[in-house]
Amino acid sequence: DVQLEESGGGLVQPGGSLKLSCAVSGFTFSDYAMSWVRQAPGKGLEWVSTTSAPGDATYYADSVKGRFTISRDNSKNTLYLQMNSLRAEDTALYYCAKVFRSTLLTPWDSWGQGTLVSVSS
Amino acid sequence: EIVLTQSPATLSLSPGERATLSCRASQSIGTYLAWYQQKPGQAPRLLIYDASNRATGIPARFSGIGSATDFTLTINSPVPEDSAVYYCQQRAKWPLTFGGGTKVEIK
Repeated sequence: DVQLEESGGGLVQPGGSLKLSCAVSGFTFSDYAMSWVRQAPGKGLEWVSTTSAPGDATYYADSVKGRFTISRDNSKNTLYLQMNSLRAEDTALYYCAKVFRSTLLTPWDSWGQGTLVSVSS
Repeated sequence: EIVLTQSPATLSLSPGERATLSCRASQSIGTYLAWYQQKPGQAPRLLIYDASNRATGIPARFSGIGSATDFTLTINSPVPEDSAVYYCQQRAKWPLTFGGGTKVEIK
């Protein structure tokens, strides 16, 4: 069974930093692009960032570019999202998601349950 | 950025009454459109990819059609468990974008 488990969320002050992790199992992690997608409370889905399978290509939403960094450790089957200079509008449930086909970057057929990030003073 | 506009915002139907959801793109995206279903407290679930292909395990009552700027998700003979928010998402151009969602109530 494919499993994705996010961790690292929490309450942080504006301007602070957090690093999210997503531990995966049940598939060959190094074969698949991975992404972070977030959902503000009561709102819709927003794509945040994507990394290619080997990690040599990364993509970011304009809203997080320059502040967030996606990375992966294929030896540890783990995806990361380093979030710096956090703002109130970054408050959301952050999902990690696996692409459904190894030749693509999206869409996503497996999702974690999310980790909640709250940015507030 | 490609904007996806979903309509209607809310759809209330009786079981067995066909549901038709629309997603319109601000520019042509070919058939690079996916549909997701999200129930309260759950992660999204991939229903349709590349406009018309059902994902693994998705019931045949879900179907998608469209190309360029106009796309439709149809739920034939929906059941109460199909009550959820449905999102479209494009992969034609970066940044990837989602529509605002359509809330479907089957009761």
